[in-house]
Amino acid sequence: DTGVSQDPRHKITKRGQNVTFRCDPISEHNRLYWYRQTLGQGPEFLTYFQNEAQLEKSRLLSDRFSAERPKGSFSTLEIQRTEQGDSAMYLCASSLANEVEQFFGPGTRLTVL
Amino acid sequence: EDKVVQSPLSLVVHEGDTVTLNCSYEVTNFRSLLWYKQEKKAPTFLFMLTSSGIEKKSGRLSSILDKKELFSILNITATQTGDSAVYLCAVRTDKLIFGTGTRLQVFP
Repeated sequence: DTGVSQDPRHKITKRGQNVTFRCDPISEHNRLYWYRQTLGQGPEFLTYFQNEAQLEKSRLLSDRFSAERPKGSFSTLEIQRTEQGDSAMYLCASSLANEVEQFFGPGTRLTVL
Repeated sequence: EDKVVQSPLSLVVHEGDTVTLNCSYEVTNFRSLLWYKQEKKAPTFLFMLTSSGIEKKSGRLSSILDKKELFSILNITATQTGDSAVYLCAVRTDKLIFGTGTRLQVFP
């Protein structure tokens, strides 16, 4: 386990379709974060988990977005009825609960046509 | 609303130049400030600062935090083309709040 992995790396979809992304954190990390990054902007926080509990959701996260971490290991982020404005890089990061440093995965780049 | 502002937005220099990147913030519940380097992939961690006035150094990079004036700077001396990247400042509250980044381009 050399780091955080995300799948897929790229996703192109048509408007209105549902998409699901997966994040596998560093194995001993109990915190997992999702961010969204658009061109020319820094990452924006979406949500985070400690183990399987979702502790915070950003107001940016509309009802079309849902995230899960059912067994406290990998996480999925689903976007329903995608819109063109959802096009972005979706980054996942993980950390230990008592550590500040978050380790980022390579991201999933979503393009909604 | 918590915010992190970075300046300049972009910077173009020649190899060997020294650059200073700025980060100011207004947040509640400040815990720490972090600097990341982002090339064409995910951000990679550079520094974490929690106390004012204590410089952190790593090779040609250094950073310092001023908690009274609510800002931090990242210095890069003797820049190299490999330093070309977006440098992100983030403030840790109960989550990370990122600035928009400074895009640094170093030409030979």
